[in-house]
Amino acid sequence: DAKTTQPNSMESNEEEPVHLPCNHSTISGTDYIHWYRQLPSQGPEYVIHGLTSNVNNRMASLAIAEDRKSSTLILHRATLRDAAVYYCILDQTGANNLFFGTGTRLTVIP
Amino acid sequence: GAVVSQHPSWVICKSGTSVKIECRSLDFQATTMFWYRQFPKQSLMLMATSNEGSKATYEQGVEKDKFLINHASLTLSTLTVTSAHPEDSSFYICSARDQPYEQYFGPGTRLTVT
Repeated sequence: DAKTTQPNSMESNEEEPVHLPCNHSTISGTDYIHWYRQLPSQGPEYVIHGLTSNVNNRMASLAIAEDRKSSTLILHRATLRDAAVYYCILDQTGANNLFFGTGTRLTVIP
Repeated sequence: GAVVSQHPSWVICKSGTSVKIECRSLDFQATTMFWYRQFPKQSLMLMATSNEGSKATYEQGVEKDKFLINHASLTLSTLTVTSAHPEDSSFYICSARDQPYEQYFGPGTRLTVT
């Protein structure tokens, strides 16, 4: 399974933008990049996904490097409710079996 | 968005007994459901993939006779932990897919085996 690498933890001040990086140097051409987040004692929540182009939705933006070996999840204005563990996952097309890495624990400082 | 529920949200059972956890897709039909396990301060680990009407596919290292999965309908999958032991205590999470590339996760079930 293609592997992703994320920082263990990050901090952000409330109402400031947050850039969460993810490296996936062994990504294959058909792997989608997914981001999920998990609040304590809850199931993961879908955030965003993309293949090659940058993506925007109501929750976040996803910036994908031109060589696709890395991506960045962008939260435009962090709120206290955004404090969670964020997982960057590669989804092999057709399989949709999501293999979670260790993720990045985001702390939002009021 | 699509909603996935799990029941119960938490359960305590005695060692040697069996426990059944239900996973339902409330507003969509899920041809594929997934079961994960998460130990404290660890990431989610995929246990098995279940397709409606067929046998589940288990990940390496997961005992299929211990973790029985049934996906009898497009909205319901069940995970039965048979002869549970304290080391099976964990947070069990299911997810369901209604279309490619998006999975919706349930709220999880915390199992404690005493």
